Amino acid sequence: DAEITQSPRHKITETGRQVTLACHQTWNHNNMFWYRQDLGHGLRLIHYSYGVQDTNKGEVSDGYSVSRSNTEDLPLTLESAASSQTSVYFCASSGGMNTEAFFGQGTRLTVV
Amino acid sequence: GQQLNQSPQSMFIQEGEDVSMNCTSSSIFNTWLWYKQDPGEGPVLLIALYKAGELTSNGRLTAQFGITRKDSFLNISASIPSDVGIYFCAVRTSGTYKYIFGTGTRLKVLA
Repeated sequence: DAEITQSPRHKITETGRQVTLACHQTWNHNNMFWYRQDLGHGLRLIHYSYGVQDTNKGEVSDGYSVSRSNTEDLPLTLESAASSQTSVYFCASSGGMNTEAFFGQGTRLTVV
Repeated sequence: GQQLNQSPQSMFIQEGEDVSMNCTSSSIFNTWLWYKQDPGEGPVLLIALYKAGELTSNGRLTAQFGITRKDSFLNISASIPSDVGIYFCAVRTSGTYKYIFGTGTRLKVLA
């Protein structure tokens, strides 16, 4: 079965370190998204991509970057981790019109 | 930015009761979605609505897309313990594939 997987599921890192969260989907979806989930804020869009070599900023993109070198993967990089980036991160993919987003299981990131 | 106002924020109900939650926006959207998130998991799509006024069911769940295209509600009938979780409304922004999510309704069911 097609799926979307995130790794790692949990990570603890130190302030100032570079961190990369992986997202891999086997749906062959063109659209991929990264969200963060914080209490009281719901899911907020960090970055998104509509296809290979395409990346766009979401509403909370500062301090994050993504790259899309193939259809299946959209890694999220925190250039210099900050305590404010402690959160649960979700990757999602969608196939386009009337094929709505499927989510990964999430990565819980703690920055100490 | 655009916001979805979701209410209530949380609710405790007795098993067997019906539940209703809603979501409103100040802007018009042409696609409304309802997701459920179980503890420790990612959100899962429950119902998608594409036409104003549309009423769609999925088992014990029923959702409606408001006529004004600025709101939607979700009803759960005869709640059971596994209905526990966070329910999110979401919209797909027109002309894009981006989604905006509400802040969620946390549902707890008392057996």
